Amino acid sequence: DVKVTQSSRYLVKRTGEKVFLECVQDMDHENMFWYRQDPGLGLRLIYFSYDVKMKEKGDIPEGYSVSREKKERFSLILESASTNQTSMYLCASGTGYEQYFGPGTRLTVT
Amino acid sequence: GQQVMQIPQYQHVQEGEDFTTYCNSSTTLSNIQWYKQRPGGHPVFLIQLVKSGEVKKQKRLTFQFGEAKKNSSLHITATQTTDVGTYFCAGRKDTGRRALTFGSGTRLQVQP
Repeated sequence: DVKVTQSSRYLVKRTGEKVFLECVQDMDHENMFWYRQDPGLGLRLIYFSYDVKMKEKGDIPEGYSVSREKKERFSLILESASTNQTSMYLCASGTGYEQYFGPGTRLTVT
Repeated sequence: GQQVMQIPQYQHVQEGEDFTTYCNSSTTLSNIQWYKQRPGGHPVFLIQLVKSGEVKKQKRLTFQFGEAKKNSSLHITATQTTDVGTYFCAGRKDTGRRALTFGSGTRLQVQP
């Protein structure tokens, strides 16, 4: 069974803090993705990576950066958290066919 | 950029009734996928459609890809309470593109 894990289920941070969201997959997938999910907006792609140290911007990259130093790990970084980044963050991995999602991190920025 | 619209946003049905959600893309898609997210859960892959006019069935679920490869539908026959959740379509514009564009989802509520 493919397993995608995320470092936290719930996170509360203050405005201006630097926030790290970690994602690990155990299936040796090339591709990893970060989405945010907001009511009525579906899943919006923030960044994705198709290889170690490679990254591509998704549809809403502003205010975010990513890091992929190892194949199994993909980190999402909020350099200076803002209240409009309060959301559910979902990580996914895949080979180019289906995507496997992690359980999500609900981030609240106060 | 590519947009994928999904309707309705929400549907409430009585158990046993049928349900359909529709997905429309602003551009031609190479393939389309469907995912289901149970309340409190994460999206889980259901199926991928690739060919123009393709129809696939999974028990009570019927998936269709339009002839122009710009729209798709998911139809559930005789809904059950286990069908509750949000259904997302996700389109891939180019064959080589790794990223998907997700629709906004249709939340299905089934009244027992």
